[in-house]
Amino acid sequence: DGGITQSPKYLFRKEGQNVTLSCEQNLNHDAMYWYRQDPGQGLRLIYYSQIVNDFQKGDIAEGYSVSREKKESFPLTVTSAQKNPTAFYLCASRQAYGYTFGSGTRLTVV
Amino acid sequence: GENVEQHPSTLSVQEGDSAVIKCTYSDSASNYFPWYKQELGKRPQLIIDIRSNVGEKKDQRIAVTLNKTAKHFSLHITETQPEDSAVYFCAPRPENQGGKLIFGQGTELSVKP
Repeated sequence: DGGITQSPKYLFRKEGQNVTLSCEQNLNHDAMYWYRQDPGQGLRLIYYSQIVNDFQKGDIAEGYSVSREKKESFPLTVTSAQKNPTAFYLCASRQAYGYTFGSGTRLTVV
Repeated sequence: GENVEQHPSTLSVQEGDSAVIKCTYSDSASNYFPWYKQELGKRPQLIIDIRSNVGEKKDQRIAVTLNKTAKHFSLHITETQPEDSAVYFCAPRPENQGGKLIFGQGTELSVKP
């Protein structure tokens, strides 16, 4: 998918469970981002990483965690502390002014 | 932090008419101004962008204009077609904040045949 792959496409979480969303890119981009999108709204930034082993909180980081152990990978964990996790999650990578978005993961709490 | 407002939230036009969407931002140091188109359930797609040293950019039926003094930029679509129907987002980029994009709330454009 244009060099950045998100998996799974659909994910169902039970109450109290942690789940991890995968984001992998083969574009050799340094920076990566996680956004959340709720119905009828814009994208909101959860976490971002400019280089390996470093990441910063975005506007809505509570209840989420990330890691950046490899340049290619930026997984997002939705913890049980996130009370309303049902949403569409988009991962993106960037080099200079070029942004590439993944195709997204739709997470639903059941 | 950057505050972004997008207007209107919905826009309905007849095929062949023009559509204009305006985005206002608060961080005067923002340096990159893209517009994205998103179809239902899909990823956002970049349709046009402009950098802070340019006032206007055009690509066929689509144009973007930037007014840095007033801190707003606008998307112009001429000769609209039904396939232009989608949600459009502006996403200005504040300077020295890791390259993050701050998205507006979106404008749902409907082009009626």
